Amino acid sequence: EAGVTQFPSHSVIEKGQTVTLRCDPISGHDNLYWYRRVMGKEIKFLLHFVKESKQDESGMPNNRFLAERTGGTYSTLKVQPAELEDSGVYFCASSQVVGHPTGELFFGEGSRLTVL
Amino acid sequence: AQSVTQLGSHVSVSEGALVLLRCNYSSSVPPYLFWYVQYPNQGLQLLLKYTTGATLVKGINGFEAEFKKSETSFHLTKPSAHMSDAAEYFCAVNRYNQGGKLIFGQGTELSVKP
Repeated sequence: EAGVTQFPSHSVIEKGQTVTLRCDPISGHDNLYWYRRVMGKEIKFLLHFVKESKQDESGMPNNRFLAERTGGTYSTLKVQPAELEDSGVYFCASSQVVGHPTGELFFGEGSRLTVL
Repeated sequence: AQSVTQLGSHVSVSEGALVLLRCNYSSSVPPYLFWYVQYPNQGLQLLLKYTTGATLVKGINGFEAEFKKSETSFHLTKPSAHMSDAAEYFCAVNRYNQGGKLIFGQGTELSVKP
């Protein structure tokens, strides 16, 4: 069974440009999460989808970030326009059971974003 | 508010030596606690978790952790380090109704010397 896949693995863009990160969760997983790790700091929660609906987007930094999950399958995270402080590794994770309390997530390898 | 502190961003041990990675948390409600590991060029993988019940939990690859409420700690241990244990380890916490919304510590890079 395929795991969580993320694309691209690394993206280098200029400040002010747009980048779109994609995440394909494990098939059948209704929960999809985005996390971010900036400059070796802690991994921080960005948002949570249940199927195609945003359940919790309290961690989204600002309105330059837009996440979508059309059809409840893959998800995209767009940063527009990108700023220097957006550099970091963006992780996607998925889990199967809605409302599952134990927080066991399956993570992708991450997409490293470098903004110059 | 919940938070997690991992003591030591880098830990180095010799092969065969004890591994001890420290994690302290703060939470106003009973927490669920996790250790995740990230091997080079891979995603994070669940190592072990504590939800309720036995406070000593065993995980994969010979790791275990003990939940100590009085010390608000959840330290990760392994009796004998192996070269393949070299990775970054993350302690995380959440609440029973928070699902996958985890709060992570800053991570500890474990190096294993031959």
